[in-house]
Amino acid sequence: GEDVEQSLFLSVREGDSSVINCTYTDSSSTYLYWYKQEPGAGLQLLTYIFSNMDMKQDQRLTVLLNKKDKHLSLRIADTQTGDSAIYFCAEPPRGFGNEKLTFGTGTRLTIIP
Amino acid sequence: DVKVTQSSRYLVKRTGEKVFLECVQDMDHENMFWYRQDPGLGLRLIYFSYDVKMKEKGDIPEGYSVSREKKERFSLILESASTNQTSMYLCASSIVPGTGGLNYGYTFGSGTRLTVV
Repeated sequence: GEDVEQSLFLSVREGDSSVINCTYTDSSSTYLYWYKQEPGAGLQLLTYIFSNMDMKQDQRLTVLLNKKDKHLSLRIADTQTGDSAIYFCAEPPRGFGNEKLTFGTGTRLTIIP
Repeated sequence: DVKVTQSSRYLVKRTGEKVFLECVQDMDHENMFWYRQDPGLGLRLIYFSYDVKMKEKGDIPEGYSVSREKKERFSLILESASTNQTSMYLCASSIVPGTGGLNYGYTFGSGTRLTVV
């Protein structure tokens, strides 16, 4: 199958780290993506990781990839109120670079003041 | 700044009406997609197009059709709107793999929230 699974909700205190998890099923995927959707808006590409990498860091964002377990995570350090959003992981089926991304259900991140 | 523009942010239509949702991209992308987004279900692909006049069904094409007469425009058509088509509709575009650049991810429009009454 091509299911991409995520937890639906995550609540984190402001200033703490947020970790959003995702499991996928297609071991041949070449790229894996994280998208962010702010309230009332479309999805924005947040970051992506090549399948030959274990980790990618970009300022407050860290992406970890465990290919053996088909597990992808997004860590947001020093979580701020502006990080409140729905976060989607996505993979391209059959390992192709782009066509027909399969999205997870999305994780709604809520920041507790 | 690259853009995918959806013509309406909010629409209210009556059951049985024919509804057109328009999407335009200015990036010369080959691929264009229509998704619907519902709480707890994530994004579900309705149709996609990989070239002018070309289309393929996604996971939930029933009750929908599409039109791509020009490369930059991809229209979603609800032939006879029903209340179960009340949803957020998202359009996206992307380049074809291998045509250049490392960022192969989709560019999304802001979405159209459609309510069918």
